[in-house]
Amino acid sequence: EAQVTQNPRYLITVTGKKLTVTCSQNMNHEYMSWYRQDPGLGLRQIYYSMNVEVTDKGDVPEGYKVSRKEKRNFPLILESPSPNQTSLYFCASSTDRRVFFGQGTRLTVV
Amino acid sequence: GENVEQHPSTLSVQEGDSAVIKCTYSDSASNYFPWYKQELGKRPQLIIDIRSNVGEKKDQRIAVTLNKTAKHFSLHITETQPEDSAVYFCAARKDSWGKLQFGAGTQVVVTP
Repeated sequence: EAQVTQNPRYLITVTGKKLTVTCSQNMNHEYMSWYRQDPGLGLRQIYYSMNVEVTDKGDVPEGYKVSRKEKRNFPLILESPSPNQTSLYFCASSTDRRVFFGQGTRLTVV
Repeated sequence: GENVEQHPSTLSVQEGDSAVIKCTYSDSASNYFPWYKQELGKRPQLIIDIRSNVGEKKDQRIAVTLNKTAKHFSLHITETQPEDSAVYFCAARKDSWGKLQFGAGTQVVVTP
């Protein structure tokens, strides 16, 4: 089954404690991205990757890092999380026609 | 960059009535306009999309119209049912591998 898998689904952490949200896709897509979803703001792109070792900033990259060492994986790294990064995060994998979203990770930073 | 505005932010309709959500975009180079439906606690799912060389597209009870001159596009849901209750997002993109720019979303509530 074609899918995008991200983990964990829920995470509560404290300010400043580094965390990683993993994302994996099994569709051999080159384009992957991370979005955050906040009420009234829709989905905003954090980072995207066109291929292995090729990443670039989206609209709201501050406070986040990503890496793309393998085609299937695209982890999101928060080196020093802050409360304003409390949000719902979606990883996505795309063709030129369609975006496939992961299940989402609800992150709370206290 | 592209800016997408979506209205209304909330929409309450009686079951069986029609619902219309409107979006405007700023970049005339945008050529791909998908609509996503997000049910509570779930991921957004593509429900319909349209490219700029087409003015209208229909799939059963949902349809999308595009006015390139005015730079706006709309989602129409006819004969609404309770399972249509969800948040709907419009989006725009200007090339095959470009970023999807999303609208802020519309919460649709269908009351029996």
